[in-house]
Amino acid sequence: KAGVTQTPRYLIKTRGQQVTLSCSPISGHRSVSWYQQTPGQGLQFLFEYFSETQRNKGNFPGRFSGRQFSNSRSEMNVSTLELGDSALYLCASSFGGGGQPQHFGDGTRLSIL
Amino acid sequence: DQQVKQNSPSLSVQEGRISILNCDYTNSMFDYFLWYKKYPAEGPTFLISISSIKDKNEDGRFTVFLNKSAKHLSLHIVPSQPGDSAVYFCAATWNEKLTFGTGTRLTIIP
Repeated sequence: KAGVTQTPRYLIKTRGQQVTLSCSPISGHRSVSWYQQTPGQGLQFLFEYFSETQRNKGNFPGRFSGRQFSNSRSEMNVSTLELGDSALYLCASSFGGGGQPQHFGDGTRLSIL
Repeated sequence: DQQVKQNSPSLSVQEGRISILNCDYTNSMFDYFLWYKKYPAEGPTFLISISSIKDKNEDGRFTVFLNKSAKHLSLHIVPSQPGDSAVYFCAATWNEKLTFGTGTRLTIIP
C-alpha cells in the first residue's frame, strides 16, 4: 500500500514569504503529525491532527499552523518566513496516534534565503 | 527542555559485533517507547517499540530494553550489518504526543 506522500520535496523561499506544505497519509490513517528536523535538534514536534481536529501542539510560534481535511490529508502553513525556519519538515501518519508507530514521509526540505 | 536524550551523537561498531544505542528520559509519564532508523534523504522508519509495563521486547536482530527506575532505554542490534549504518532516534509517547531524541549516528565498519 502507498506510503505517506509529502509535496513538494524541495522548496526555496525568501524571508517574509509564506509557504504551504502538503501531506497525504497512508489510506485509513486518521492521525497526522508534523515535525521539524534541524541539525543537532532532532525531530521537534509541531502538531498533530486527528479527524480534522488539532489534538496536540508543540512549542512553536503561531506563524506555524496546520489543518486536516475530511480525507485525512493535511497541510502545514508557515507565514512570515525567517532564516531559522530552514529545515526538513516531516509528516507522519498512524491509525490512531498515541503509542502506535508512526509512518513517515520523506519530508519537504525548506530553504529560506 | 529535552525530555528524551541521546547523549552519544555517534557510534562506530565492527560488522558482526553488537551495537548498543542508549537513550535517557525524564518524564515518568511516558507510556510507550519507540526506536526509529533514518537514512539520508528519507523519512524515519519504525523499528521496534516497548510498552512502559514491559522491560524487554525482541524482534529478530533488534532488542529493546527498558529500565524504568533508571529512566533508561537501550536498543541492541546483534549481529550488526553494514545496512544498519544510519541515524537512530529513540522516541517516547505520552498523552498522544511523540517526543524524539536528537539521534545517534551508527556506522558499521566492514
